[in-house]
Amino acid sequence: GAGVSQSPSNKVTEKGKDVELRCDPISGHTALYWYRQSLGQGLEFLIYFQGNSAPDKSGLPSDRFSAERTGGSVSTLTIQRTQQEDSAVYLCASSLALGGNSPLHFGNGTRLTVT
Amino acid sequence: GEDVEQSLFLSVREGDSSVINCTYTDSSSTYLYWYKQEPGAGLQLLTYIFSNMDMKQDQRLTVLLNKKDKHLSLRIADTQTGDSAIYFCAESIGNDMRFGAGTRLTVKP
Repeated sequence: GAGVSQSPSNKVTEKGKDVELRCDPISGHTALYWYRQSLGQGLEFLIYFQGNSAPDKSGLPSDRFSAERTGGSVSTLTIQRTQQEDSAVYLCASSLALGGNSPLHFGNGTRLTVT
Repeated sequence: GEDVEQSLFLSVREGDSSVINCTYTDSSSTYLYWYKQEPGAGLQLLTYIFSNMDMKQDQRLTVLLNKKDKHLSLRIADTQTGDSAIYFCAESIGNDMRFGAGTRLTVKP
């Protein structure tokens, strides 16, 4: 079946604007994760969902970041009043369940550039 | 800083073996993973090993785990130019997955 799909693949926005990033997980995957990858850096964990619930939001960098998931499927990551330091690749992953015995399947990411 | 540590760069010649090393800090990690990232793409799962194993082989890939030293390695035999990518080590602890910064493997013809 289809893999994890993210849209848009690229987004250029002006500083101060809001952006919304979308993730379609693999059908049937209950767990969904958002990571951020800055140039030359590893993966920074942002948030995960089990179903529609995000038990721990402490990984979000600031209160300008929010995420939601509806119907146990699609998730959106919203960044308000974007700043240049928000420029990065935002990766979404899904897995059958939470826990280490369910490998993560990643989308190709959304490359966000804030000018 | 990173809980999972990897060297950032590795360069090998085509046909040689590549060994990418990783150290992790949490002895309660249950699974350890290797992911591959090609330019412009997400991370692709290569292989993983359960913490009670010390070796796993899958075609050209060999994973070695030294749990005492919290050391994980990925060996790629007969490295090809198509293996050029960034390789991420990751450890799972409960519901959490922690990634290293990635090792950029360059394969020279």
